[in-house]
Amino acid sequence: GESVGLHLPTLSVQEGDNSIINCAYSNSASDYFIWYKQESGKGPQFIIDIRSNMDKRQGQRVTVLLNKTVKHLSLQIAATQPGDSAVYFCAEKRGTPLVFGKGTRLSVIA
Amino acid sequence: DGGITQSPKYLFRKEGQNVTLSCEQNLNHDAMYWYRQDPGQGLRLIYYSQIVNDFQKGDIAEGYSVSREKKESFPLTVTSAQKNPTAFYLCASSIRAGGDDYGYTFGSGTRLTVV
Repeated sequence: GESVGLHLPTLSVQEGDNSIINCAYSNSASDYFIWYKQESGKGPQFIIDIRSNMDKRQGQRVTVLLNKTVKHLSLQIAATQPGDSAVYFCAEKRGTPLVFGKGTRLSVIA
Repeated sequence: DGGITQSPKYLFRKEGQNVTLSCEQNLNHDAMYWYRQDPGQGLRLIYYSQIVNDFQKGDIAEGYSVSREKKESFPLTVTSAQKNPTAFYLCASSIRAGGDDYGYTFGSGTRLTVV
């Protein structure tokens, strides 16, 4: 597969546990945020988004939390599965185009 | 099925050669983007286009060129001026510039290696 994140921060979790991936953003004017998942050798895929007028948004097994006071975004994955192993990126919209974070590698231990 | 297609999946370039990476979308998206991905560095923007016949440089445009003659197509040429072209290249599109409707749709990438 493609080695797209050899030196990324890594989070290791046990299968079935919940995962929390964090992202700090820099611009208080950013008004839209997205989480992407990238599996080895593939392009990033949209997971969930949130606008700045919200604090929390839930999807299927995923929740995004936005704390504008400290400019922090988190992605929570419930009951983590082996298929969740990937690199996760946050992205923020402050004008055009989107600005991507460096990513976190999630490793699920079976 | 609508989507964004990058080709080839793997590409090898000799020193001094120009190579062109293809990106085609049938999503009727206005905006298209090229990113370079290196280990540990996330996604770095090379070029983007908000509309046909218009494009803007990103953070690392030196050694690259693009064209946007059709809405569906946004090819990237890696020129001999790019001294370290070995990387994973990702093309993306969005309904309109800004990406605030479900963000970007990405292709599956092209792995370019200098030989």
